[in-house]
Order: sequence, then structure tokens, then C-alpha cells
Amino acid sequence: AQSVTQLGSHVSVSEGALVLLRCNYSSSVPPYLFWYVQYPNQGLQLLLKYTTGATLVKGINGFEAEFKKSETSFHLTKPSAHMSDAAEYFCAVSESGANSKLTFGKGITLSVRP
Amino acid sequence: GAVVSQHPSWVICKSGTSVKIECRSLDFQATTMFWYRQFPKQSLMLMATSNEGSKATYEQGVEKDKFLINHASLTLSTLTVTSAHPEDSSFYICSATRLAGAYEQFFGPGTRLTVL
Repeated sequence: AQSVTQLGSHVSVSEGALVLLRCNYSSSVPPYLFWYVQYPNQGLQLLLKYTTGATLVKGINGFEAEFKKSETSFHLTKPSAHMSDAAEYFCAVSESGANSKLTFGKGITLSVRP
Repeated sequence: GAVVSQHPSWVICKSGTSVKIECRSLDFQATTMFWYRQFPKQSLMLMATSNEGSKATYEQGVEKDKFLINHASLTLSTLTVTSAHPEDSSFYICSATRLAGAYEQFFGPGTRLTVL
């Protein structure tokens, strides 16, 4: 079975500050890891994903995440927050392979203060 | 590419009626489509997985007779909420994977269902 832990429900940063959203996972097989962003009343947009290869992955809107197997973590970062980054962020894991089910964390709300 | 649409985007219905939600992959063929439910301020919970031409696989605790899923073609899946009640009010989101190399899911914009 696989699971995702996103500690805390809300993170608030100042505009221009570092964004760090934590994600830890549990998986019995090599995982595929994803970060999604959701704006109010909208579906999910993929920020970035890790499948194999380079453990530091870069995504859209200046976000990146690093897969650390030893820590079972896949934390999301962005050097400088923008007001438009305010949204809900979900970390998700699936077992490697086609058509595998995604298991989502409970999500974190990111607020950006002017 | 990889656009998924949902229709309607929102729907209000009376208790006891049935509501159908469509999920379409607009520019690719989807081997598999997934249906999720999301309550306010909560995460997405997988309801069922559907493959074109076969019966959907429901997650534990999801009533298959209440949430009817049909995946009639490689670009269309429908979710019908039968005899809807206020507790069925939620945000329903579908996703789809492509035919080839499909580990990534592409999400629709969601459908807000309110049952009065």
C-alpha cells in the first residue's frame, strides 16, 4: 500500500520569500511522485513529476522538487514566491507502471502575503 | 495537448433525481479514466477506475449502484449519480491516461454538484 503525508494544512509566506512544502511518502515499490496545484473551483494542474533518473526535477512556474529515497521525501520548493502562487498543493504517489492509481496527500494551502 | 473536459461544470438538482457528468479526452485516446470526489478543503478520493469497454473498478466503500460509471469509448466516460441526496454534494473530478506510456493522469476541471 502507498500513502502520502503532507504535514500541516496551511503555509503562509511573504512575496519574494522561499516556498517549501513538505511531502513524505510510503511505497512498497519504486514510486512515481507528483506535485499538483489546484486553484479554487478548478481541476488539478501538474507542477512536476519524478519517475526515474535525475532526483532533482524542475517544473512549471519556477517550482522544483527533490526525490530523496533515504528520507522518503519529495519536498516542493520555489526560491521566490509570487502572489499568483497562492493555491492548494497536493503531493501524490503512484506505483511505477502504466495506469496506476494515484494516492494523494491531504493538501496544503499556500498563502502569499504582499 | 492532453486536454480533459468535463460537462457540466456545475449542476444543482433536487434530492431523488439522477445527474450525469461527462468526462472527455479532447485530443487523445484514453485507455483509462479515473473518477475522484473532493469535499471542501479536503483531498481527492478515488472513487473508481474505468477502462474502455469494461466494467469500472470501484474503491472500497463506494456504492457502485449509486455511482454508475460508463466508459463507452476511448474519449468519453460518464458518471451518473443516481437518486442523489444532499450528502452527495461534492466536487467531482475525472482524469485520464493516454494509450501509450501512461503513468501520468490528466485532470478535468471538475464538476460541482449541489443536491438540494
